[in-house]
Amino acid sequence: AQTVTQSQPEMSVQEAETVTLSCTYDTSESNYYLFWYKQPPSRQMILVIRQEAYKQQNATENRFSVNFQKAAKSFSLKISDSQLGDTAMYFCAFMKGYGGSQGNLIFGKGTKLSVKP
Amino acid sequence: GAVVSQHPSWVICKSGTSVKIECRSLDFQATTMFWYRQFPKQSLMLMATSNEGSKATYEQGVEKDKFLINHASLTLSTLTVTSAHPEDSSFYICSAYVGGGPADTQYFGPGTRLTVL
Repeated sequence: AQTVTQSQPEMSVQEAETVTLSCTYDTSESNYYLFWYKQPPSRQMILVIRQEAYKQQNATENRFSVNFQKAAKSFSLKISDSQLGDTAMYFCAFMKGYGGSQGNLIFGKGTKLSVKP
Repeated sequence: GAVVSQHPSWVICKSGTSVKIECRSLDFQATTMFWYRQFPKQSLMLMATSNEGSKATYEQGVEKDKFLINHASLTLSTLTVTSAHPEDSSFYICSAYVGGGPADTQYFGPGTRLTVL
């Protein structure tokens, strides 16, 4: 069975600074995807970034980037130039590759990020 | 693109009544739709997985007779909470899964807050 672990229940960062959220996972699958979702106070789940396990290059989306270490089963999220709107709960999630699980996501427990002015 | 709507956004009902929640993928056809329940300050808990035209698959511990899921089309799934009780009060979130290669992703609706009096 797959597991996803987020070891930081809460974090805070000053506006404009950089913060890294940690995520580790356990799987015996070779084909899978990893995600970071953001849940702001509105509670709408928003896809932040997506990484295919077969790709060595780390995914980036504007101020958001990941450090994907496949051998270590680590998938951290770096937020650069933090903004007040980044304040949210961040969930790391795992999905088996297409055909393996019909898209089931395994979520971590989340990290609550507060960006301070 | 990849917008999922959920209706209603909040509902208050009396104990013993039934409540229907709709989940629609607005600009794409979803292979599968998922229903989650989220308690305050916790991660998402998968309740069931539904595919168009077939019976939903419920997670262990979820009462299928209480949480009825109908997946009438590739863009619409409904969750009916039957004979609701105060312990059913929660935040319910649906998601739509787009499967196949680079698109393998779940997109989430904005959630429905259910309060049972």
